[in-house]
Amino acid sequence: DTEVTQTPKHLVMGMTNKKSLKCEQHMGHRAMYWYKQKAKKPPELMFVYSYEKLSINESVPSRFSPECPNSSLLNLHLHALQPEDSALYLCASSQDMGTVLYNEQFFGPGTRLTVL
Amino acid sequence: RKEVEQDPGPFNVPEGATVAFNCTYSNSASQSFFWYRQDCRKEPKLLMSVYSSGNEDGRFTAQLNRASQYISLLIRDSKLSDSATYLCVVNGRNTGNQFYFGTGTSLTVIP
Repeated sequence: DTEVTQTPKHLVMGMTNKKSLKCEQHMGHRAMYWYKQKAKKPPELMFVYSYEKLSINESVPSRFSPECPNSSLLNLHLHALQPEDSALYLCASSQDMGTVLYNEQFFGPGTRLTVL
Repeated sequence: RKEVEQDPGPFNVPEGATVAFNCTYSNSASQSFFWYRQDCRKEPKLLMSVYSSGNEDGRFTAQLNRASQYISLLIRDSKLSDSATYLCVVNGRNTGNQFYFGTGTSLTVIP
């Protein structure tokens, strides 16, 4: 089973709201990722968790706050977002065996976020 | 210089045609290479992984040329359902968890 699930599928929020995106995988993968994707652009890496520790933060504004409660779950907490933050937010996971080989990423279906 | 360079296309080809996409990467120490397919408003789906010189799966062939730092994807006998954006992805050199994406190549297969 190569499934990564994400909730919600769609989210509309105002600039003063606080919301959270959720991601789950049951493949035993130890690396989980958040990407942001704008239309007609490739996914843009935001955060990487490896063995539940934040290992990469690509200079993402503090209004995005990741959390990894356990090895299967990844959250992205949103607060005071801007309209330009509207995008598809993708979660992914990979095995992370400490080697670059066979470390295939599998993506969830994404959350389509609109900030009004 | 970008880590991964990919011709954005678009490629418009008739059904049954053979089409090839190319991708170059900047760091010679890169080890793992992937082609993903992304349909409009959907997530990227892994199409092929390339760890040695190449990989073949039905109508799809991926080739790696380490000397030229070049990866290609060949699609034979194109089907309408092959219409999508194809993303070239390279796994980072220092850790296992840094993936670099090309801009994607758009393919439309025409009846």
